[in-house]
Amino acid sequence: QKEVEQNSGPLSVPEGAIASLNCTYSDRGSQSFFWYRQYSGKSPELIMSIYSNGDKEDGRFTAQLNKASQYVSLLIRDSQPSDSATYLCAVKSARQLTFGSGTQLTVLP
Amino acid sequence: GAGVSQSPRYKVAKRGQDVALRCDPISGHVSLFWYQQALGQGPEFLTYFQNEAQLDKSGLPSDRFFAERPEGSVSTLKIQRTQQEDSAVYLCASSLAQVGLAYEQYFGPGTRLTVT
Repeated sequence: QKEVEQNSGPLSVPEGAIASLNCTYSDRGSQSFFWYRQYSGKSPELIMSIYSNGDKEDGRFTAQLNKASQYVSLLIRDSQPSDSATYLCAVKSARQLTFGSGTQLTVLP
Repeated sequence: GAGVSQSPRYKVAKRGQDVALRCDPISGHVSLFWYQQALGQGPEFLTYFQNEAQLDKSGLPSDRFFAERPEGSVSTLKIQRTQQEDSAVYLCASSLAQVGLAYEQYFGPGTRLTVT
């Protein structure tokens, strides 16, 4: 069983809509959670980190964490075509990050 | 400031050749990680250094893979006798430390290795 699960998509939303990306993880002891954005042919870029239950907002991005449900999500408000990318959920286990397979997001103009 | 740099960006190797991939982390970053990313998948952990000490190499897929960071800065990932299944993007990441916000990992551009 993969330790970090994401819907692979593709997820398509119209420009200006809210995109909702979800992630579940198996290690109850995990304490640190990250969202990376990866454009095609590029390397992952850190966009959000979250360590405590609840919401964390940064500009158009909101990360949500529920440790009891072992669930992390990323909301992107006012989605733009430039947000079209693969979004990777990462969970710190031991020292390294364990990644999901990513959700491909397409924002339609 | 400068981010993580990797070289070469692209490498084509014939099956059986040895390759060396270089990573130059962000200045002052203590921790350095190597990941392997196959097409359509998330990065998979290979190995981790804290300064010059290799503290975890549990992700290295075989004894053909070897990594070093002799002076606690630049790191080299070496793959001996390359096989076709080694074809992937090799990503290097660094972080300031292991605690709290300083744990955030920043990735280099990657080296795309193709074994023919």
